[in-house]
Amino acid sequence: EIVMTQSPATLSVSPGERATLSCRASQSVSSNLAWYQQKPGQAPRLLIYGASTRATGIPARFSGSGSGTEFTLTISSLQSEDFAVYYCQQYNNWPTFGQGTKVEIK
Amino acid sequence: EVQLVQSGAEVKKPGESLKISCKGSGYSFTSYWIGWVRQMPGKGLEWMGIIYPGDSDTRYSPSFQGQVTISADKSISTAYLQWSSLKASDTAMYYCARQSSSWAPSDYWGQGTLVTVSS
Repeated sequence: EIVMTQSPATLSVSPGERATLSCRASQSVSSNLAWYQQKPGQAPRLLIYGASTRATGIPARFSGSGSGTEFTLTISSLQSEDFAVYYCQQYNNWPTFGQGTKVEIK
Repeated sequence: EVQLVQSGAEVKKPGESLKISCKGSGYSFTSYWIGWVRQMPGKGLEWMGIIYPGDSDTRYSPSFQGQVTISADKSISTAYLQWSSLKASDTAMYYCARQSSSWAPSDYWGQGTLVTVSS
């Protein structure tokens, strides 16, 4: 099983600031990496797939980068609706998720 | 509009059986995979397994193999997740989600079904 490790566990950011979330895979997953956003009481929402492609309807302030074992999700200017938990997921083989990064208001 | 609508919350006792459902609409149900994801209270996401309703090809995560059964009825565009004997540790929110292939991201999600197992 490929283990996905996200950091930090919690990120405190002020509205309008940039947020950078990291995700590391225990072995290469090529670009088969997705990012999801989950708000309390809601289902996850796909943000990024293929490591860097935004899903339909996702604002341009969300961007993804990386390949192999190191990946980054950047939110360029945090809006109030962006405070949530973010998960990375590899789907290179049996899909596995990271443990999540909570983005909270500073 | 693509929609996945899951069955309602369930409260069960240990040892009981359960089958929850996920009905797809707004797309060709037999052309996409449906996956199931567990989220235990206050915890992260765990991928359980997937099914291709077109031919019922089913794959399970090693962690869930033998613990649950995934099935589908393409005539009514519905996928299922079932347990034969529930345990307290099965208490969780369960989501279904659509995938374009067996190893692919999940682009549409159901609203979730909360399963509570308690004596």
